[in-house]
Amino acid sequence: EAGVAQSPRYKIIEKRQSVAFWCNPISGHATLYWYQQILGQGPKLLIQFQNNGVVDDSQLPKDRFSAERLKGVDSTLKIQPAKLEDSAVYLCASSSNWGADGYTFGSGTRLTVV
Amino acid sequence: EDQVTQSPEALRLQEGESSSLNCSYTVSGLRGLFWYRQDPGKGPEFLFTLYSAGEEKEKERLKATLTKKESFLHITAPKPEDSATYLCAVQAKAAGNKLTFGGGTRVLVKP
Repeated sequence: EAGVAQSPRYKIIEKRQSVAFWCNPISGHATLYWYQQILGQGPKLLIQFQNNGVVDDSQLPKDRFSAERLKGVDSTLKIQPAKLEDSAVYLCASSSNWGADGYTFGSGTRLTVV
Repeated sequence: EDQVTQSPEALRLQEGESSSLNCSYTVSGLRGLFWYRQDPGKGPEFLFTLYSAGEEKEKERLKATLTKKESFLHITAPKPEDSATYLCAVQAKAAGNKLTFGGGTRVLVKP
């Protein structure tokens, strides 16, 4: 089975610029998650989708971050405008149910804001 | 608010030197406790899910145990390829599918 695909792998932008990340989950997985992982820390949930509906976005900084999951498959996460503190790895994950078998994570996008 | 604390932050072991990692948690109604392994530049890789106190699971040199307040990941006779960051996460019954992660333990096994 193909894994969770993310692109790009790396991105360097200047502060106040915008950036977008893309995720393609495992086929058939209804639930998709975006996590932010700052260097040396554990991942923190930004947003969770069930099909194409938002289940939890309580920790998403909505003044600058946005996400969508069109047609319940692929998802994009956008940051506009970026701040220095947004430098992190952005991980996408998917699961087929409530995650009893564990989420499957992608390799992430490493964002550096300079 | 669900909280997960892992200790130690870093662990250096000689090959064959067994040790344990700790994961202390506070959650209102535990649905499951998860252990993941993360290699540099990669996403976390699922290892185990534990559901109730007293449960144990094993995979090769790894054994995870669970009590009502903490979980332990025991590494028996580690090899250099066991070097990685080990992440613990909890899933609360009232929180949907959300996982709350600890900060991880970085394990380095030297030959």
